[in-house]
Amino acid sequence: SQTIHQWPATLVQPVGSPLSLECTVEGTSNPNLYWYRQAAGRGLQLLFYSVGIGQISSEVPQNLSASRPQDRQFILSSKKLLLSDSGFYLCASKSGGQYTEAFFGQGTRLTVV
Amino acid sequence: AQSVTQLGSHVSVSEGALVLLRCNYSSSVPPYLFWYVQYPNQGLQLLLKYTSAATLVKGINGFEAEFKKSETSFHLTKPSAHMSDAAEYFCAVSDDSRGGSQGNLIFGKGTKLSVKP
Repeated sequence: SQTIHQWPATLVQPVGSPLSLECTVEGTSNPNLYWYRQAAGRGLQLLFYSVGIGQISSEVPQNLSASRPQDRQFILSSKKLLLSDSGFYLCASKSGGQYTEAFFGQGTRLTVV
Repeated sequence: AQSVTQLGSHVSVSEGALVLLRCNYSSSVPPYLFWYVQYPNQGLQLLLKYTSAATLVKGINGFEAEFKKSETSFHLTKPSAHMSDAAEYFCAVSDDSRGGSQGNLIFGKGTKLSVKP
């Protein structure tokens, strides 16, 4: 099975500061990669997904961007954080077809102050 | 496009009681359905999945779910709740309209399960 490495586990950043969250995947190749955000009571919101290197699809307009410089590396970034960017960010990987599950990292708790 | 609806954002049961978490799906094609569990400040872990092989699916930790096409449902059950089952549970459906050959997972809003001693 796949292992998703996500760091850091927690992060406190001031408003207006930049952000870079990194996710790497082991145990598969050419997966779909995803960034989700969880805000309290709002479930899982899909922010970005990628079907291959350099290919990024954005699901919601926002202050964030994503990049996939390598097959198993996915990065979530922001140039200037907003208070509303606070939340729990999850990276996920999916490969093997539509009937297969996604594997998740342990998440990053981001608090913007 | 596919979607899932989870009925009840919070469910509370007593230890030893039946757990029933509801999920209804909408799909124009035969769906692939999933249940995940999330413990506080952790990622999601797969409980079970339906991929059309059998309508009653058994998962980890004693959970199971039954696919009912006529009711467009995929409810999650466990005969006897344990304190360690307290967590948030998410139902998901594979969306074949996006994500290329892999499809993307579309999640419900989640149901938080509390277990009383």
